[in-house]
Amino acid sequence: GAVVSQHPSWVICKSGTSVKIECRSLDFQATTMFWYRQFPKQSLMLMATSNEGSKATYEQGVEKDKFLINHASLTLSTLTVTSAHPEDSSFYICSARAGQIADTQYFGPGTRLTVL
Amino acid sequence: AQSVAQPEDQVNVAEGNPLTVKCTYSVSGNPYLFWYVQYPNRGLQFLLKYITGDNLVKGSYGFEAEFNKSQTSFHLKKPSALVSDSALYFCAVRDVNNAGNMLTFGGGTRLMVKP
Repeated sequence: GAVVSQHPSWVICKSGTSVKIECRSLDFQATTMFWYRQFPKQSLMLMATSNEGSKATYEQGVEKDKFLINHASLTLSTLTVTSAHPEDSSFYICSARAGQIADTQYFGPGTRLTVL
Repeated sequence: AQSVAQPEDQVNVAEGNPLTVKCTYSVSGNPYLFWYVQYPNRGLQFLLKYITGDNLVKGSYGFEAEFNKSQTSFHLKKPSALVSDSALYFCAVRDVNNAGNMLTFGGGTRLMVKP
C-alpha cells in the first residue's frame, strides 16, 4: 500500500514555542491531505483538510491562526502549532489521498506532541 | 450528516475463534466504507474498503467485511483470530454525495485476543 510518513514521531517543547510537523506521501501524489488530532482512548478528530496549492479548510472550533497548515506540493504538508500550550499536547496524525473520492486515505504514523 | 457507530467499546475473543467487530453507518447518499486498524502509538493502517460491487470485501491479514445495505452495516470479520490482531479498529464512511468528501470515523473498538 501507499506510504505516508510523518516527522518528528515525537516532540517535547516548552510552552509558548512553535512546533512544525511534516507529512509526506512517499510513493504517490496527494491531492488532498488531512490533519487529525487524537486524544487518549478516543477516535480521530478532523482538524483541517488541505488541497495542494489552496488554503486549508478548518473544521469548526479549530483555530486557523494557531494551527497553520501548508500544502505547498503534492507530496508535502506541514502543520505548525504556534505558541503551543499544555492543552495542545496530543497525538497528531496526518492522512493523504490521491485524488478520487473512492481513493483510500492513507495515514501517517502520528506525532506525539507534549508541551511542558 | 453522515455518522458511524461502533456499538462495542471492546471485543474479547479467544485465539483461534472467529471474531466480529460491528459497524453501522448513516449517510444521505451511497456510502464508501473503510476499516482501519491502529496499534499503540501508531497511525492508522488501511485494512479494506467497500466502494461498489461484491458485498463481501476481503482485505489485509485475513480480514473481511460484509456490506449490508438494508441494515446499513459493515461488520468486520475474521474466521480465526490471532493474538497479534489485538488492536484498536476504526470503521469509517464517506458519503459519495458529500461535496466535502470527508471521512467520518466511528469511536473505535478495542479487540483483545487472548491465547
